Amino acid sequence: QKEVEQDPGPLSVPEGAIVSLNCTYSNSAFQYFMWYRQYSRKGPELLMYTYSSGNKEDGRFTAQVDKSSKYISLFIRDSQPSDSATYLCAMRRYGGSQGNLIFGKGTKLSVKP
Amino acid sequence: DAGVIQSPRHEVTEMGQEVTLRCKPISGHNSLFWYRQTMMRGLELLIYFNNNVPIDDSGMPEDRFSAKMPNASFSTLKIQPSEPRDSAVYFCASSLLAGGTGELFFGEGSRLTVL
Repeated sequence: QKEVEQDPGPLSVPEGAIVSLNCTYSNSAFQYFMWYRQYSRKGPELLMYTYSSGNKEDGRFTAQVDKSSKYISLFIRDSQPSDSATYLCAMRRYGGSQGNLIFGKGTKLSVKP
Repeated sequence: DAGVIQSPRHEVTEMGQEVTLRCKPISGHNSLFWYRQTMMRGLELLIYFNNNVPIDDSGMPEDRFSAKMPNASFSTLKIQPSEPRDSAVYFCASSLLAGGTGELFFGEGSRLTVL
């Protein structure tokens, strides 16, 4: 079993839809959870960062962590064509360095106008 | 402010040739990372440096790969000899070693094709 699993998609939704992106993981020591967004032919950029369990909201984006289920989610409300990108989850354990960051393979999202 | 700068953006070479990828991290960042991204394997860490010192190179696929960081503002990733299976996008990223979220700032990548 891979440490981090992420459905690669592709996921296609109409503009205005609510999008749910998910990752599961196997290492219960993971404490830091991140979502990176990667536009085509660009490098990933940090979108959301969460420590331990709970929710975090930033504008149209909400990140959720359920450590009991080893499951994290990213919700996008009122999706826009500009949200079309690949979304990668990433996580690491407490005390680990950025070099211990484990990435999912990414979910490709397309928002159609 | 300039972000992480990588060169070349695209490289097409023939099997057996030497390839050198270059990276200039964000000024003031003291950690530097080399990643490789493919459809099959996703984003994989190859090696990372803290304060110009290699910390973990366990992700380097084999001896054909080497990386150096001679100073805080420059790093290279070299593949010699290159093989078709090395075709991928190679990303350099930098961050602050301590404090904050430890966010990685990625360059735009070097797309390598080995024929």
